[in-house]
Amino acid sequence: ELKVEQNPLFLSMQEGKNYTIYCNYSTTSDRLYWYRQDPGKSLESLFVLLSNGAVKQEGRLMASLDTKARLSTLHITAAVHDLSATYFCAVVLMEYGNKLVFGAGTILRVKS
Amino acid sequence: SAVISQKPSRDICQRGTSLTIQCQVDSQVTMMFWYRQQPGQSLTLIATANQGSEATYESGFVIDKFPISRPNLTFSTLTVSNMSPEDSSIYLCSVEGTYLGTEAFFGQGTRLTVV
Repeated sequence: ELKVEQNPLFLSMQEGKNYTIYCNYSTTSDRLYWYRQDPGKSLESLFVLLSNGAVKQEGRLMASLDTKARLSTLHITAAVHDLSATYFCAVVLMEYGNKLVFGAGTILRVKS
Repeated sequence: SAVISQKPSRDICQRGTSLTIQCQVDSQVTMMFWYRQQPGQSLTLIATANQGSEATYESGFVIDKFPISRPNLTFSTLTVSNMSPEDSSIYLCSVEGTYLGTEAFFGQGTRLTVV
């Protein structure tokens, strides 16, 4: 059974600081997504990582994928309060009809 | 991105009753999925909605409890049957395989409270 482990589960940061969220998974997959969820809202797609070595950046967020290590990272640079949300990684199981298996989520709180 | 309309956005239901949630997409999609997000938890896949055939359910979810329809490539419904307070969750529709390529989009979710 595929396991997706995300850590930390809770992250409290000061504005201006950097930090990384990690997403480890236990089976082979070449595709991984990152989502943001604000309280009471649905999921907003942040990044689609489609191959080993993929790196994508949007604003203060950068995501990478290492399929050999079965690891994805979401790096936050110079955090601002507006980044406060819950972040999920989701591994795509292509051999099972592209179903997604989600990590537990990381609650990020950026303190001003 | 795909525009997904999910209805209702929220509901409060009596135990023992059923609720049907609708998911409408603005374009034809290959894959449609239904997820559950229990309070404070991550998302868990309930089933894959297959067009023209029975849905494929994940372990722990059964058709009698969560019947799903998908009559065409743009529409699906999920029914939560014989509800109990443990069914209180957010239910989300997801689609993949749009004309924009590979990405999974989510509807706004249905927040269900069973009393």
